[in-house]
Amino acid sequence: EAGVAQSPRYKIIEKRQSVAFWCNPISGHATLYWYQQILGQGPKLLIQFQNNGVVDDSQLPKDRFSAERLKGVDSTLKIQPAKLEDSAVYLCASSANRGQWNEQFFGPGTRLTVL
Amino acid sequence: SQQGEEDPQALSIQEGENATMNCSYKTSINNLQWYRQNSGRGLVHLILIRSNEREKHSGRLRVTLDTSKKSSSLLITASRAADTASYFCATDSNSGYALNFGKGTSLLVTP
Repeated sequence: EAGVAQSPRYKIIEKRQSVAFWCNPISGHATLYWYQQILGQGPKLLIQFQNNGVVDDSQLPKDRFSAERLKGVDSTLKIQPAKLEDSAVYLCASSANRGQWNEQFFGPGTRLTVL
Repeated sequence: SQQGEEDPQALSIQEGENATMNCSYKTSINNLQWYRQNSGRGLVHLILIRSNEREKHSGRLRVTLDTSKKSSSLLITASRAADTASYFCATDSNSGYALNFGKGTSLLVTP
């Protein structure tokens, strides 16, 4: 079974620039999550999708971050414009169902450096 | 805000020794999970314990849960150098099973 794919693996940009990350979840997984992991901390949920609908985006800085999951499969996370404090690893995860616990499978992450 | 807090922040042991990590959380939970993260990699699920369970085993892993104290512990027995990684506890949120992670324990196992 193929895992969660993310690209790019690394990205370096200057502040005020824009950046986009892509995630392809495990085939058939209805739920997709984006987490932000700042160095030395645990991941923090940014947004959760169930199919192509948003379940939870309460911690997403909506003035600069946006995410979409067209057709309920792939997802993109965008930052526009980026700030220095956005430097982090952005992790995508997917799980089979929302109702009742299902194991979340994580991708390798995209390491973003904002200069 | 992060729900769990792991203790210690860093742990260094020799191969063959046992490693114990603790996690405390603040609010009621449905499940508590432990994840492992190797440097530069994504997270890998290790074990889940439900709120009505007190102890669970999986291979060399033993997890305990004390809901009255809002705490959990992860024990890795007979550690190996390959166990070197960061370990995170995570609790499910009320809003639909997204995970709230702690800051993690960095484990170093030396040969």
